[in-house]
Amino acid sequence: DAKTTQPPSMDCAEGRAANLPCNHSTISGNEYVYWYRQIHSQGPQYIIHGLKNNETNEMASLIITEDRKSSTLILPHATLRDTAVYYCIVSQDDYKLSFGAGTTVTVRA
Amino acid sequence: GAVVSQHPSWVICKSGTSVKIECRSLDFQATTMFWYRQFPKQSLMLMATSNEGSKATYEQGVEKDKFLINHASLTLSTLTVTSAHPEDSSFYICSPQGQLREQYFGPGTRLTVT
Repeated sequence: DAKTTQPPSMDCAEGRAANLPCNHSTISGNEYVYWYRQIHSQGPQYIIHGLKNNETNEMASLIITEDRKSSTLILPHATLRDTAVYYCIVSQDDYKLSFGAGTTVTVRA
Repeated sequence: GAVVSQHPSWVICKSGTSVKIECRSLDFQATTMFWYRQFPKQSLMLMATSNEGSKATYEQGVEKDKFLINHASLTLSTLTVTSAHPEDSSFYICSPQGQLREQYFGPGTRLTVT
């Protein structure tokens, strides 16, 4: 059973913010929301994770709704190098990450 | 972020031979290692989980006698694909567990079995 739902693809303009949605309506109280991305033919790259509160780091911001049933990853200023498949994953304490299909993000000049 | 290396980055082998893939966490200690594989145009699939010094736990459908995992130390894990066949051709990725809940990933090893 898919634990997260993401749009299969999205385009965004270089220099603009990219907002990537993720639904995780069956998330349980001890599950974290993780975001990873995978550039073609490379291993996944960690972006950010959170439990309840919004989080921000040098790469992105993570906005989690109050009911925790959905979240949004924000890339504040997308560049061409941000073109990748972005995975939203929910995981319990055992850290076992199950990857879905992700969202293929294409940043266009 | 943490530095994870895999060797080799790509390998071509003949059917029936065995291939060993090494995964090293260069600047942190990984008590747990996850191994994934990824077929073309598909997502990553978890194969097995190993803890340092213990036997690996394999996901359903993954043959433990075919994919031998050794987690000999906190910085090294190996995956050996025994008696490889063309259907084993895939992108194999290791993922050591860090201390702050983030999961690091190696750069991957592309295996082609001819």
